[in-house]
Amino acid sequence: GEQVEQLPSILRVQEGSSASINCTYENSASNYFPWYKQEPGENPKLIIDIRSNMERKQTQGLIVLLDKKAKRFSLHITDTQPGDSAMYFCAASEGNSGTYQRFGTGTKLQVVP
Amino acid sequence: GPKVLQIPSHQIIDMGQMVTLNCDPVSNHLYFYWYKQILGQQMEFLVNFYNGKVMEKSKLFKDQFSVERPDGSYFTLKIQPTALEDSAVYFCASSFNSQNTLYFGAGTRLSVL
Repeated sequence: GEQVEQLPSILRVQEGSSASINCTYENSASNYFPWYKQEPGENPKLIIDIRSNMERKQTQGLIVLLDKKAKRFSLHITDTQPGDSAMYFCAASEGNSGTYQRFGTGTKLQVVP
Repeated sequence: GPKVLQIPSHQIIDMGQMVTLNCDPVSNHLYFYWYKQILGQQMEFLVNFYNGKVMEKSKLFKDQFSVERPDGSYFTLKIQPTALEDSAVYFCASSFNSQNTLYFGAGTRLSVL
C-alpha cells in the first residue's frame, strides 16, 4: 500500500515554544493533505489542510508546509499551549473520487508548563 | 458543525458472535468510511463506500466484514463472526467528496471477549 510516515512519534515541548511534525508520502498522485488533532477518548478533528497547488498555509498559530518534490509535508504549531497536548495525525489522499485518506502513524504532543 | 453519529458507543460481545456497528453520516455527504484504531494508535483504513458500493478496502477488511447502507439509513459495519483481534475503536466518517474534510463520529469501542 501507499504509506504515510510520520515523525516523531512523541514530542515534548515547553509551553510557548514551537512544535514541528513531519510526514512523508509515497504516492506522487496525492494532492490533499489534512492534519487531525485527537484528544484522548475523542474522535479526530481536522485542524488544517493543504492542497497540492499550495506550498504554505497558515491559520491561527498553525503552519503547514508542502514540498511536493520531496513528497514531504509538515505541521508547525507556534506558541504552544497546554491545550495543544494531543495526538496529531497527518493524512494524504489522491484527488480521484472514491479514494481514501491514508493516515500517518501519529505524534503524541506533550506541552509542559 | 456537521455531526456523524455512531451507535452504540461501546459494545461488548463474546468471540464468535455477530456485531453491527451503526453510523448516521452527515446528511448531504456522499462518501462513507470505516477506520479502525487500536488504543490511540494509527487510524487504519478499512473500507469506503459510495453510491451503494464498496470503492476500496484494505487488507484489514477481512471476509468476516461487510458494509451496507440500505436506502439512506444507517451506514453499517457488520462483523460475523468476531475475533479477539477485532477489539478496537471503530470510527465512521463521511465526506461530501474524497477531497473534502472527513467528519468523524465519536467512535464505537468494540470489546471482543
